[in-house]
Amino acid sequence: DTAVSQTPKYLVTQMGNDKSIKCEQNLGHDTMYWYKQDSKKFLKIMFSYNNKELIINETVPNRFSPKSPDKAHLNLHINSLELGDSAVYFCASSQGKVSGNTIYFGEGSWLTVV
Amino acid sequence: SQQGEEDPQALSIQEGENATMNCSYKTSINNLQWYRQNSGRGLVHLILIRSNEREKHSGRLRVTLDTSKKSSSLLITASRAADTASYFCATDANAGKSTFGDGTTLTVKP
Repeated sequence: DTAVSQTPKYLVTQMGNDKSIKCEQNLGHDTMYWYKQDSKKFLKIMFSYNNKELIINETVPNRFSPKSPDKAHLNLHINSLELGDSAVYFCASSQGKVSGNTIYFGEGSWLTVV
Repeated sequence: SQQGEEDPQALSIQEGENATMNCSYKTSINNLQWYRQNSGRGLVHLILIRSNEREKHSGRLRVTLDTSKKSSSLLITASRAADTASYFCATDANAGKSTFGDGTTLTVKP
């Protein structure tokens, strides 16, 4: 069974559109994340939720809005997509927000904005 | 700026050789982790080393940590073609916020 699953895996869309990426984890973790990886493989945290509560919100345009309906799900909605949003978005989870917890990553969602 | 920086950016070796990757960071940390990313896949945790540890082993992996130099190294011994991947270090200075380095792309030629 896939521990952290995200959909869609590939998404090609036009500038200005609104899109969502969904993420679910079946590990029973209480903390979930969204990371963005650019073309140079630079991986940066965007958001983190612990028990549905936002705990990390990095400097991300407010066009990006995460939503956590329950602690097993963390979706990412992006409004008014721009060319620079093209990247791979990784959902991840961990147990607790204590230092040193292993982060489990999904397989990534490849977003291409044209 | 990015907390962790890996060196080298890319490394190409023959199967059977050892591969060494380095990670340097800027601020004090609680622990440091190494992750692996196969092409087109998500990151997978390899090993964690805490700030009070100097060396750790896991199978063919050996990780060292020098907090005085703010650096860590990952050694993969007797490399295999299947070790071809990108390797990232992640530092955890603040609880719940792991900061990843730029990664080292390792190519192991059969």
